[in-house]
Amino acid sequence: QVQLVQSGAELKNPGASVRVSCKACGYTFIDFGMTWVRQAPGQGPEWMGWTSTSDDDKNYVEKFRGRVTMTADRSTSTVYMELRSLQYDDTATYFCAVDHGTKGFDIWGQGTMITVSS
Amino acid sequence: QSELTQPPSTSGTPGQRVILSCFGGSSNIGGHTVNWYRQLPGAAPKLLIYENFQRPPGVPDRFTGSKSGTSASLAISGLRPDDEADYYCSVWDDNLNGWMFGGGTKLTVL
Repeated sequence: QVQLVQSGAELKNPGASVRVSCKACGYTFIDFGMTWVRQAPGQGPEWMGWTSTSDDDKNYVEKFRGRVTMTADRSTSTVYMELRSLQYDDTATYFCAVDHGTKGFDIWGQGTMITVSS
Repeated sequence: QSELTQPPSTSGTPGQRVILSCFGGSSNIGGHTVNWYRQLPGAAPKLLIYENFQRPPGVPDRFTGSKSGTSASLAISGLRPDDEADYYCSVWDDNLNGWMFGGGTKLTVL
């Protein structure tokens, strides 16, 4: 069964970092890159960036550049998204999704709720 | 115009046909294909339409996508109660150098 399984919810203080994992199952990991999308409560989705799973190619949206790192571990078919210097408005559900380019994001993880609160 | 505009809400009755709209600009819809997603409360988005009008396996032909110039539409025919959800358009934007999502349209089935 093709699926993405993400790590659990986390509560973080402002200024901290968080790393979310996304394990891919049921397909050849290196065939498709992985995209990360976040969604603040009551808001629409926001694309954060993309990482290749077959090489070191990446594309981060400018808003997060310098604060986010996406990596792929081919030995465990897992992608990681680290977000640093967390602020209150980083409170959101973070999703990974298999990226097929113009063909869209067809497989999504279940989402990881990150709450930034003091 | 580096933003995608969707009407915040619309409604229809069972069996009716509704059309959801998405307005963009030359840096996004005007130059790239559009994808549509449906999202139920508490769930991840689900791909409904890709490349303007293509349907992934399992998506019924009640869902039809189209694009003209800098706008796109998603038509849903034979409306069902379980079509009640949030619908988002998404497209690559050259200024953002990334994917944009519209603000979403909440569809209510009366």
